[in-house]
Amino acid sequence: QSALTQPASVSGSPGQSITISCTGTSSDVGSYNLVSWYQQHPGKAPKLLIYEVSKRPSGVSNRFSGSKSGKMASLTISGLQAEDEADYYCCSYAGSSTFVVFGGGTKLTVL
Amino acid sequence: QLQLQESGPGLVKPSETLSLTCTVSGGSIRSRNYYWGWIRQPPGKGLELIGSIYYSGSTYYSPSLKSRVTISVDTSKNQFSLKLTSVTAADTAVYYCARHVDYAYYFDYWGQGTLVTVSS
Repeated sequence: QSALTQPASVSGSPGQSITISCTGTSSDVGSYNLVSWYQQHPGKAPKLLIYEVSKRPSGVSNRFSGSKSGKMASLTISGLQAEDEADYYCCSYAGSSTFVVFGGGTKLTVL
Repeated sequence: QLQLQESGPGLVKPSETLSLTCTVSGGSIRSRNYYWGWIRQPPGKGLELIGSIYYSGSTYYSPSLKSRVTISVDTSKNQFSLKLTSVTAADTAVYYCARHVDYAYYFDYWGQGTLVTVSS
């Protein structure tokens, strides 16, 4: 069982927006603005999409955005495209003992 | 452009030691403010941080794996390595090396990953 809870799957049609939630605790998501999100296509390494809750690395589309409220972080993908079909993982700093924890991953299907 | 590449045996016998090396190119492993980590992903499952190391040798290990893990760094070769002892089938996974930013704890560069299977 993963430390952060994500829905197993979400789906949406091209052009729509979807949101993936990531629920943690007061020891991780709730205490630090250090949530990151990763996209992973089959057989590929994860790719950083969002860091520090809402910042985008250079080169990442502005269709990807992140936010946080309390113990829950969210990743929103707007203007869904076929290439967005992938697995998405959240990650949060969880203190010096645990370091970081990941979510179990969410499979996004573009209908 | 920073690149990371994992190398090592793809098959390890139960109870033996898994050893992997990550070679960093396009940048120095001595860069300040970056840790170098190992993350694994069992087939069809999620990601798990194994541990990380700073170029000075300071390490962090996952509490669940700490008794079996050693991560070391060779700055002269721009490499860092993972040793996981007493492996079982549960250690079968794709192993990734990655760079993460100190104090921000996100992984910005990843290797392509290498599948390690534990089987006799």
